[in-house]
Amino acid sequence: AQKITQTQPGMFVQEKEAVTLDCTYDTSDPSYGLFWYKQPSSGEMIFLIYQGSYDQQNATEGRYSLNFQKARKSANLVISASQLGDSAMYFCAMREGSNTGNQFYFGTGTSLTVIP
Amino acid sequence: EAQVTQNPRYLITVTGKKLTVTCSQNMNHEYMSWYRQDPGLGLRQIYYSMNVEVTDKGDVPEGYKVSRKEKRNFPLILESPSPNQTSLYFCASSVGTGIGYEQYFGPGTRLTVT
Repeated sequence: AQKITQTQPGMFVQEKEAVTLDCTYDTSDPSYGLFWYKQPSSGEMIFLIYQGSYDQQNATEGRYSLNFQKARKSANLVISASQLGDSAMYFCAMREGSNTGNQFYFGTGTSLTVIP
Repeated sequence: EAQVTQNPRYLITVTGKKLTVTCSQNMNHEYMSWYRQDPGLGLRQIYYSMNVEVTDKGDVPEGYKVSRKEKRNFPLILESPSPNQTSLYFCASSVGTGIGYEQYFGPGTRLTVT
């Protein structure tokens, strides 16, 4: 089974609107971390936001927030007030607790295009 | 400047010719990792290292070797490259092995094997 599933290969959003990028995960480990990364067309990987499995509050970082629904095993990224510079590939990732070997798992990504 | 560096950035080679992609970080990070990125498949972990002399396989280790003799360096070795190893490769590091540590990525190495 896939550890991380991103079901939206491509998304479009109007500039200044909010957009939600979906991510579901699969783990039986009670301790895990969830990450979102941005990859612009230039190719570098940029860390955006982190959510721990024991965190009670949803993580926020500026215009980025993570909608964490533990029971549904989802960790959706919400970008508010989209900007043209948000056009990029977005990857959801998970790191399980140390008892399972410390691997990182990435999803297949969502390509976001912001329309002026 | 804190960073992860990879060399070379671009490499075109032929089937069977051994090659090494170097990775170095200047942040004293314990954890280092290699990924390959292919269209439609996202990033897949090849190998990772939790510290010097401690390495382990990721999801796609076949055809690759790594070593971690020094904390800062984590080279990726392709002993006999094949065309299916044509890909974009990323090296990454993180402070430690806890679940909360994000990874810092190198700029990537685009490898073409003909």
